[in-house]
Amino acid sequence: QLVLTQSPSASASLGASVKLTCTLSSGHSSYAIAWHQQQPEKGPRYLMKLNSDGSHTKGDGIPDRFSGSSSGAERYLTISSLQSEDEADYYCQTWGTGIHVFGTGTKVTVL
Amino acid sequence: QVQLQESGPGLVKPSETLSLTCAVSGGSISSSYWWSWVRQSPGKGLEWIGESYHSGSTNYNPSLKSRVTISVDKSKNQFSLKLNSVTAADTAIYYCARNGLRYNWNYDWGQGTLVTVSS
Repeated sequence: QLVLTQSPSASASLGASVKLTCTLSSGHSSYAIAWHQQQPEKGPRYLMKLNSDGSHTKGDGIPDRFSGSSSGAERYLTISSLQSEDEADYYCQTWGTGIHVFGTGTKVTVL
Repeated sequence: QVQLQESGPGLVKPSETLSLTCAVSGGSISSSYWWSWVRQSPGKGLEWIGESYHSGSTNYNPSLKSRVTISVDKSKNQFSLKLNSVTAADTAIYYCARNGLRYNWNYDWGQGTLVTVSS
């Protein structure tokens, strides 16, 4: 079964970096994922598509502070030089034949 | 720049059918994207509902498949969602989206519309 696992929360200080993890279920370690950001009281915003080899394609206007990387079944989103507007929920998404799945989301708090 | 705009009733009675439309501007619904619906219950995460291609091919979340229909209207450049036999558990913000991930294109979101199921 295709499942994505995310930690519920993460925090870091203003100007620091934070690394979020999205873990693919067993047997799906080659799958690409997408990262989405949802700021408080707003709709989701597409950040990037992240492949198993760590290559990624960002959405329009996404700052260089957002980057992706991969290792095995884990997919990472790193936010550098944290800004107050980065305080948000971050969801990963993957897809297989005829199915899409979202992770449960990680809430990022900027201290 | 594509824009997606959801529309439909904000209040639906239990056991009735929820119907939403997503108008697409700045792009053609006949292009090689999949047209998707995602929902978010109050205080919860994102849930994929399903998607349709302009050819009429569809994929649905297995947990909703028996109640969901997604269709594309090429003449109006829009796509729609129908969810029947709704209950309070279907109360959510419903987002339409354009999915280009299979081709390393963008995933574009609509702004979302709140649908409440209540008598």
